[in-house]
Parts: sequence; C-alpha cells; structure tokens
Amino acid sequence: EAGVTQFPSHSVIEKGQTVTLRCDPISGHDNLYWYRRVMGKEIKFLLHFVKESKQDESGMPNNRFLAERTGGTYSTLKVQPAELEDSGVYFCASSRTQSDYGYTFGSGTRLTVV
Amino acid sequence: LAKTTQPISMDSYEGQEVNITCSHNNIATNDYITWYQQFPSQGPRFIIQGYKTKVTNEVASLFIPADRKSSTLSLPRVSLSDTAVYYCLVVGGTGRRALTFGSGTRLQVQP
Repeated sequence: EAGVTQFPSHSVIEKGQTVTLRCDPISGHDNLYWYRRVMGKEIKFLLHFVKESKQDESGMPNNRFLAERTGGTYSTLKVQPAELEDSGVYFCASSRTQSDYGYTFGSGTRLTVV
Repeated sequence: LAKTTQPISMDSYEGQEVNITCSHNNIATNDYITWYQQFPSQGPRFIIQGYKTKVTNEVASLFIPADRKSSTLSLPRVSLSDTAVYYCLVVGGTGRRALTFGSGTRLQVQP
C-alpha cells in the first residue's frame, strides 16, 4: 500500500505570508494526526482527525493554525500569517483505527519562515 | 499520559544485540507502549508495541515487566543501517495519543 504522502517536502516563506501543507493518509485510514518539531525541540502532537471530524486539537499552538480534512480523505494545515517560530518540520501520520497505535508517518514538510 | 525517560545515546558494534530501556513510572492501566525509529530527514517509523510480558516481530523484541513501569526494546544483531533515533511512547488505551515523542535514544552502530 502507498504510504503517507506530504506535500511540499520543503517550503520557504516570508514572515506574514500564508502556507498550506497537505497530507494524504493511507487509503482507508480514518485517523489522521499532525505533529511538528520546531527547531531543537521534541516532536509534539498538534491534532487528530477521525474521518473529517477533529477529535483532539489540544496541541494546536494558536489560531494562526487551521487544519481541515474535508471529506475525510486528505488534510491540509494552513499557517496564516506565518511567524519565525513556526519554522520546523511538520509530520502527518495515519492509522486505521483509534486503537491502532502503530502510526504510519509521512516524511514531513520542512517549513522555513524568513 | 506517562512521561518517558530514555538514555540520550548508545553506541554499539555491528552484530551485537542492543537493548534500550525506557522508564514510564506513571503508566496507566489502559496504556500501551510503542517504539518508533527515526532516520534523519524522515518521519518516525513504527517498530513494535506491547502491553505486558514479551512481544516479538521480525524487527525487534519488546520486554515489559509485570509492573509495566519500564520497557526494553531489543534489537538483535544490529547493522550500520540501524543507526537512528529510537523513541519510546506511551499511548492511552482510550484513544489518547502521545503528546510528545520525548528526546529519544540516539543509537550509533560502528563497523
């Protein structure tokens, strides 16, 4: 089966601009997760979708971040406006069920805000 | 969710068995233990999960004592390609997911 795909792999934007990251989970995986690692820090949870519904968005840092998963397939994570501290690697992962703890991760999107 | 503690780094040689221990003193009854491997510029890769006693798959073994306050990932006969960061995560049996991956253990395998 195809893995989790993230696009773009790299993005460099200026402070104040908008960036949209995309994640295509494994087909049939209802659960989709966003994580990120900002520079020098640990990988931290952002939010969790079950199909198109946000199950848990407790890790979203602020209202500049908006995640969507229309139709329960792919997901987008928009950062608007981007700040310097948003630089880091954004990972997406998916699993078939909520009790399936072996998440499959994508390779991540490296975001650089200058 | 239980906070995890792992050694920051470990060194080994090709062909040796490597054991990485993780402590999770506050693990809850319904929590599971999972281990991930991460190479540079890649996302974490799931290795193994367990609840108690021993679990083995084609890649590794996971040993969990009766009190479940720790777990040990065992990698048999490591090779250079096993050089990576290994993360221990505790995830909730009620669907709660790990909020952070922690610092992980950086394993360096030498020839």
